[in-house]
Amino acid sequence: DGGITQSPKYLFRKEGQNVTLSCEQNLNHDAMYWYRQDPGQGLRLIYYSQIVNDFQKGDIAEGYSVSREKKESFPLTVTSAQKNPTAFYLCASSISPGQIYGYTFGSGTRLTVV
Amino acid sequence: AQSVTQLGSHVSVSEGALVLLRCNYSSSVPPYLFWYVQYPNQGLQLLLKYTTGATLVKGINGFEAEFKKSETSFHLTKPSAHMSDAAEYFCAVSGEYGNKLVFGAGTILRVKS
Repeated sequence: DGGITQSPKYLFRKEGQNVTLSCEQNLNHDAMYWYRQDPGQGLRLIYYSQIVNDFQKGDIAEGYSVSREKKESFPLTVTSAQKNPTAFYLCASSISPGQIYGYTFGSGTRLTVV
Repeated sequence: AQSVTQLGSHVSVSEGALVLLRCNYSSSVPPYLFWYVQYPNQGLQLLLKYTTGATLVKGINGFEAEFKKSETSFHLTKPSAHMSDAAEYFCAVSGEYGNKLVFGAGTILRVKS
């Protein structure tokens, strides 16, 4: 079955470490997105990519980086510059244009700083 | 720019009662509107969407929503709540530029037995 796979489900990071969250889709979708979710704050857009080798900053890109070398993959790196990384991270994809068809979401990665 | 307001961060209903979750939007272009549901520690799942055509949209799990242009609203309803409906619900509107959706802050639905 087609879908989006996020891994790992749970991730623990030490202070000062970079960590990478994986997002893979087999839906043949052009666009992919990363959101951060904190209690009571809804979804905040970190980065998005509409085509391979191109991506744009969202509303809260500081302290994060992404790459889009393949259509299927859109990994997110949480760098040591992100001062408060503990959150639930959601990856999504859409057929272009996404505003007509909506997004398909992965099951999320919960990142905790220890 | 597009925006979404969900009235009430928490809504509590009794099992069997009507569910009404409110969503108002602003958009400078004809909107596409969506409702998503999120269960704890899971991703978001599409409940229903309005793009064009009939303004009353039916979705999964017995939910429906009505697009009212004059009121800029897209409220979500279900005639009879079930315990399994307890979750967080997000309303979203199509973005003005590119492919991005704009999400509301979410409403947590609690169903009491």
